[in-house]
Amino acid sequence: DTGVTQSPTHLIKTRGQQVTLRCSPISGHKSVSWYQQVLGQGPQFIFQYYEKEERGRGNFPDRFSARQFPNYSSELNVNALLLGDSALYLCASSRTGGSPLHFGNGTRLTVT
Amino acid sequence: GIQVEQSPPDLILQEGANSTLRCNFSDSVNNLQWFHQNPWGQLINLFYIPSGTKQNGRLSATTVATERYSLLYISSSQTTDSGVYFCAVENSGGSNYKLTFGKGTLLTVNP
Repeated sequence: DTGVTQSPTHLIKTRGQQVTLRCSPISGHKSVSWYQQVLGQGPQFIFQYYEKEERGRGNFPDRFSARQFPNYSSELNVNALLLGDSALYLCASSRTGGSPLHFGNGTRLTVT
Repeated sequence: GIQVEQSPPDLILQEGANSTLRCNFSDSVNNLQWFHQNPWGQLINLFYIPSGTKQNGRLSATTVATERYSLLYISSSQTTDSGVYFCAVENSGGSNYKLTFGKGTLLTVNP
């Protein structure tokens, strides 16, 4: 089975721009979660979607939004980028909301 | 929110040595997972272990939920074991399947 795939792998944006990150879960997985990881820290929870509905939101501003499509793939959008948004953005999928998480390789976002 | 503390923060081993990594958490959990992040940033799920003991090759893990800690054992370490080991938990009673990660243990295995 193909693992969790994320695109793009790297991205450089300017402050104030908008970005869309994409994620395809493992086949058969209905839950997708997004995490932000800054250097030297553990990943921080941003969103969780299950069966196309938002089930959880972390402590992130409204500039962050996401959605899940009928094929269970997901997009994370970040508006009005700030320098502090520079990080590795990780997508994870699982069969259900509480089952083992499987992460993609991440999208490294640099905001200049 | 729930607090997750991992120890030690850094660990340097010679190849072949054994090690124990610890994860303490501040509240009851219904989900605990161990991950390995390799030097290229890939996060690999090692164990899903809300309670009990599991083994996978040279790795094993034990969670004592009533005492709010989990241990990850690495035996006969290899250079490929290098990287950051994260413990992540989900608070019991939580409704959003949010995993809270610790800060990790940075393991370096020297040849």
